[in-house]
Amino acid sequence: DVKVTQSSRYLVKRTGEKVFLECVQDMDHENMFWYRQDPGLGLRLIYFSYDVKMKEKGDIPEGYSVSREKKERFSLILESASTNQTSMYLCASSFEEQPQHFGDGTRLSIL
Amino acid sequence: AQSVTQLDSQVPVFEEAPVELRCNYSSSVSVYLFWYVQYPNQGLQLLLKYLSGSTLVKGINGFEAEFNKSQTSFHLRKPSVHISDTAEYFCAVGATGFQKLVFGTGTRLLVSP
Repeated sequence: DVKVTQSSRYLVKRTGEKVFLECVQDMDHENMFWYRQDPGLGLRLIYFSYDVKMKEKGDIPEGYSVSREKKERFSLILESASTNQTSMYLCASSFEEQPQHFGDGTRLSIL
Repeated sequence: AQSVTQLDSQVPVFEEAPVELRCNYSSSVSVYLFWYVQYPNQGLQLLLKYLSGSTLVKGINGFEAEFNKSQTSFHLRKPSVHISDTAEYFCAVGATGFQKLVFGTGTRLLVSP
């Protein structure tokens, strides 16, 4: 069965901390994505990656970075967490150019 | 640039009734269109997609959608809903090539007995 696994369902961090969100997929997909989901705004793309060590900015990359050292793992990094980064974060993967399989999400609160 | 509008934030319906969730898009180029479903406390799941060809697209769980180019719409339909269809549904539009998807704000489908 297809699986995209996000390391944490809920996470609470403090302002200024460096935060790592991990995502692993077991489908050998080339393409992986990070979105944030906010009420009334739908999903917004932060970054995507189409190959190991390759990354592209999405619509809202400011304050974030990513790492793709291995094909199955795509990490999202909040360099210095701020309260406006409190959100639901969704990782996705796909063979195609659009996301197909999503993880269950990480609800991140920045205090 | 593309944009997508989901006209209803919430649609209440009784079990076994038909339902239509509306989606309109705006784009200056040829588009790909998608519907995703998000069940409570879960990530999104792809329901169906239109890339080209037949304008009537069938997806999982008995859902279908029709691409109407003249009305720039891609409405989602199901002839008879179940309680288990209660979820949030997102319409999304993308252009050809490795382009980013633009998501709508979602429609919450509430199915009651």
